[in-house]
Amino acid sequence: GENVEQHPSTLSVQEGDSAVIKCTYSDSASNYFPWYKQELGKGPQLIIDIRSNVGEKKDQRIAVTLNKTAKHFSLHITETQPEDSAVYFCAASLDGSARQLTFGSGTQLTVLP
Amino acid sequence: SQTIHQWPATLVQPVGSPLSLECTVEGTSNPNLYWYRQAAGRGLQLLFYSVGIGQISSEVPQNLSASRPQDRQFILSSKKLLLSDSGFYLCAWRGTSFETQYFGPGTRLLVL
Repeated sequence: GENVEQHPSTLSVQEGDSAVIKCTYSDSASNYFPWYKQELGKGPQLIIDIRSNVGEKKDQRIAVTLNKTAKHFSLHITETQPEDSAVYFCAASLDGSARQLTFGSGTQLTVLP
Repeated sequence: SQTIHQWPATLVQPVGSPLSLECTVEGTSNPNLYWYRQAAGRGLQLLFYSVGIGQISSEVPQNLSASRPQDRQFILSSKKLLLSDSGFYLCAWRGTSFETQYFGPGTRLLVL
């Protein structure tokens, strides 16, 4: 089955700096890659996603890049703010699979004021 | 628009007691439904998923069970709770025409 590895497990950045979280996946057939943000005590919220026919997607300060050949994808957050502090999860999915998402282990991002 | 509800929000139960957590989805029909457990503040473990009424797939053998008595209702149960059942339980749904899963607010369970 699919295996998703996520690094780093913890990340601290100064406010205004950029943050990058990386994930690798094992199943080359996976074709959908969402990112979730989970604030303390809440359910994960989808923040951005990318499909395998696209190399990059951007939404304001958040961007995701995908390298299908190397089987890795990354989340980029620019101009970080304290409210970006949360746990971030990547996931991979095979289209048509009801079981669907395989999650990474999460990254605790702390933005220092 | 679609919304997903979970209750209760928090629950403290003694070891050996039964459990029933409920999840409901509004604004969609025939969704795929999922139960996850999150221990130690991270890591999402898929417990069960369902593609339709009465159809349950189990991912991890344990003392928990799931049922889907109605199209938009998903229930997580246990006959006798263990200390190791403590955690944050998340329900999620997905429409059949797209891949994205959307999570509910979660139920925090503490077994003492």
